[in-house]
This record gives sequence, structure tokens and C-alpha cells, in this order.
Amino acid sequence: DGGITQSPKYLFRKEGQNVTLSCEQNLNHDAMYWYRQDPGQGLRLIYYSQIVNDFQKGDIAEGYSVSREKKESFPLTVTSAQKNPTAFYLCASSMRGLRGRNEQFFGPGTRLTVL
Amino acid sequence: QKEVEQDPGPLSVPEGAIVSLNCTYSNSAFQYFMWYRQYSRKGPELLMYTYSSGNKEDGRFTAQVDKSSKYISLFIRDSQPSDSATYLCAMKGGGADGLTFGKGTHLIIQP
Repeated sequence: DGGITQSPKYLFRKEGQNVTLSCEQNLNHDAMYWYRQDPGQGLRLIYYSQIVNDFQKGDIAEGYSVSREKKESFPLTVTSAQKNPTAFYLCASSMRGLRGRNEQFFGPGTRLTVL
Repeated sequence: QKEVEQDPGPLSVPEGAIVSLNCTYSNSAFQYFMWYRQYSRKGPELLMYTYSSGNKEDGRFTAQVDKSSKYISLFIRDSQPSDSATYLCAMKGGGADGLTFGKGTHLIIQP
């Protein structure tokens, strides 16, 4: 059963702590993305990766870091430098190629709350 | 000026009505246009994908793109209570980066 999994579903963090959100896909997609969604807001791009061992900053990368050591995995670390980390985090993936990379498929999301 | 404008609603219509959702945008480089449906506390689900101007139909859903007016629409025919969700428009240019989203319209279909 192909798809994108994100874990955990809910995550609570104390101020000053780093936390890592997991994203795994078994769709054999090359490209993966991280978005953030705040209440009443659209999704905003944090980081994206087109191939293994390569990634680029999106519109709101400050306070976040990523790695892409495997094609299937694209973990996101929310660092203590992120001033307002409470949000719904969504991972997406797509195929490469002109049309493929435009059709992005999303995971179920992780809701992060800073206590 | 925001790149993508979308009325947040809520938009409430009776079951069976035709629903019209729309977005306007300012970036003329956008070529690819998507509509996603998002249920509460879930990930967005891709509904429609269109390239450049024109119409695309898939079952009860029709997507329209008018690049000259920088305006895109999603029509839902024979609306059902299960269509109640937030609908997000998204778009991008020809590069390999991510999508630019509208804020989403909260749609309520009354039984």
C-alpha cells in the first residue's frame, strides 16, 4: 500500500528543545517537500529536495534543518531558533520531470505544539 | 500584495447546489494550477491539476484557468455533505521548487 507516512501525529516540545519530524514515502518519488500550515493560512514551503543528498531552502527555512540521506526519507528538525514553531507540518512528495514535480502528494501531517 | 488570494469563507450551500470556488493571483510566471481538498486535521488531497488556460473535468469537479485574467475556479456539481472541507488552490511556475498556496476556502454543504 503506497503512500506517505509522517510521525508522530502529535508532538509536544518544551521551549529551547530541538525536535525531529519523520517523513517516509514508498511511492518511489524523487522529490520531497516540507510545508508549514498555520490556522487560517495556506501552506508555506520550508525546504525541498529533488534528489538524495541535495536540498534547497524554501520561503521560511529559518530555524529549520533537513537531511536527505535516503530517497524514501526526508526528516525535518525544528530547532530552538524557530521563534513560532507551533503549527501543522506537512510532508509531500512528487515524481521528477516537468509534470511529475507539479503533482505533489501529501502525508497526514504532524501537529507540533510548544509548551 | 499577496501572490495568491482566496476568500476564506465559510461558504455554506444546500446539498445538491453547484459550488463555485476561485482564486486570483499576481505572478504571471505561474503555469500549473492545482486544487486540493483538506478535511479537518488531515493532509491535503489532490483533486485537480491543470496546465495553462482552459477547462478540465473529472466527475462532479470542473477546474477552469483564465491566465489572461489571472483567475482560476473550481466548480462542484451536485454537492454532497461529504464535500464539506477546506479547498486550497495551489500554483507554480516551471521550476523545481514548491507550490504557492491560497489560504483555503472553508466549504459547508448543508444536508
